[in-house]
Amino acid sequence: SQTIHQWPATLVQPVGSPLSLECTVEGTSNPNLYWYRQAAGRGLQLLFYSVGIGQISSEVPQNLSASRPQDRQFILSSKKLLLSDSGFYLCAWSVDGREQFFGPGTRLTVL
Amino acid sequence: GEDVEQSLFLSVREGDSSVINCTYTDSSSTYLYWYKQEPGAGLQLLTYIFSNMDMKQDQRLTVLLNKKDKHLSLRIADTQTGDSAIYFCAERYSGNTPLVFGKGTRLSVIA
Repeated sequence: SQTIHQWPATLVQPVGSPLSLECTVEGTSNPNLYWYRQAAGRGLQLLFYSVGIGQISSEVPQNLSASRPQDRQFILSSKKLLLSDSGFYLCAWSVDGREQFFGPGTRLTVL
Repeated sequence: GEDVEQSLFLSVREGDSSVINCTYTDSSSTYLYWYKQEPGAGLQLLTYIFSNMDMKQDQRLTVLLNKKDKHLSLRIADTQTGDSAIYFCAERYSGNTPLVFGKGTRLSVIA
């Protein structure tokens, strides 16, 4: 069966520090991968999605970036965090685009 | 443009039925979804309906789709305290396009 992992589960970082969040999917090949941010426990904002290795689409211009170095690995990065980057980051995957499944999320607090 | 609207809050008594409503704007949506999010967790796919269907039932859950009015609803029969969560409506167009989510409805179940 397919599973999705996110690491770390929680993170507290100072303003201006770098960021790297990791998402990995097991049990499937060539998934579509997505990064979302959820602020204040509500609404989802799509940040990036990828339909293949090295293929990244950005939905919101900001100080975040995404990379897909391997088929089932999706990384969200920042060189310098802002206070406004705090939130709950969710990774998701789909194979045929019909069903989309979410990971457990990473709670990021920027101080 | 793409837009999915939901009411923010719903409160029901345990044992009653809950009806969560959603409206969307794009008539070319192919699939419509309901997700559940419990506190501190990722989103759980509850059910989805193809746009050529009017109704889908799965145990206590009933999804109704009115394409003419672009209205989607989720009915939870015999609502339990464990159903307390945020429920997200989402739509998808054809291909690999990402889902478009509403802001979520917080369901509170009163014992």
